Amino acid sequence: AQSVTQLGSHVSVSEGALVLLRCNYSSSVPPYLFWYVQYPNQGLQLLLKYTTGATLVKGINGFEAEFKKSETSFHLTKPSAHMSDAAEYFCAVSESGGYQKVTFGIGTKLQVIP
Amino acid sequence: GAVVSQHPSRVICKSGTSVKIECRSLDFQATTMFWYRQFPKQSLMLMATSNEGSKATYEQGVEKDKFLINHASLTLSTLTVTSAHPEDSSFYICSARDPGQLANEKLFFGSGTQLSVL
Repeated sequence: AQSVTQLGSHVSVSEGALVLLRCNYSSSVPPYLFWYVQYPNQGLQLLLKYTTGATLVKGINGFEAEFKKSETSFHLTKPSAHMSDAAEYFCAVSESGGYQKVTFGIGTKLQVIP
Repeated sequence: GAVVSQHPSRVICKSGTSVKIECRSLDFQATTMFWYRQFPKQSLMLMATSNEGSKATYEQGVEKDKFLINHASLTLSTLTVTSAHPEDSSFYICSARDPGQLANEKLFFGSGTQLSVL
């Protein structure tokens, strides 16, 4: 079985500050890990993914995440928050890698304060 | 990029009525679509996998007679919540697989439907 835990359903940061959204997972096999972003009134959009290879993954809009097997974590970071980053972020895990069953976290709503 | 359109975005209905939610892939043919449900402060949970031309595969605990899924064409899947009750109030979201995309980027999501049953 696989599961995802996102710590903090709401996170607030000041514009220009570091963004850190936490995600821990459990999986019985090597995981595929994803971060999705949902802007208001829009569908989920893939931000970045880890499948194999380099553990530091870079995504769109300046976001990146690092797969740490020893910590079973896949935290999402961005050095400097922008107002347009305000959205809901979902961490997800898939064991098959084929997108058959993707398990999502509860989501973290990011607020960026001017 | 590929777009998945989900309609309606919000629906309010009376208890006992049925509600249909549509999920369309706009620029690709989706042989497989997925339906998720999210209750407040909980994760998105997979309800069922919809395959074009065949019966949907439901996850454990999801009533197939209550949540009817029809995937009659390669661009449209519908979810009908039959005899809806207040406990069915939730956020429903679909996703579609684009077989033409790169292997790691072929799942696209609709914008979701917020269902409120009075």
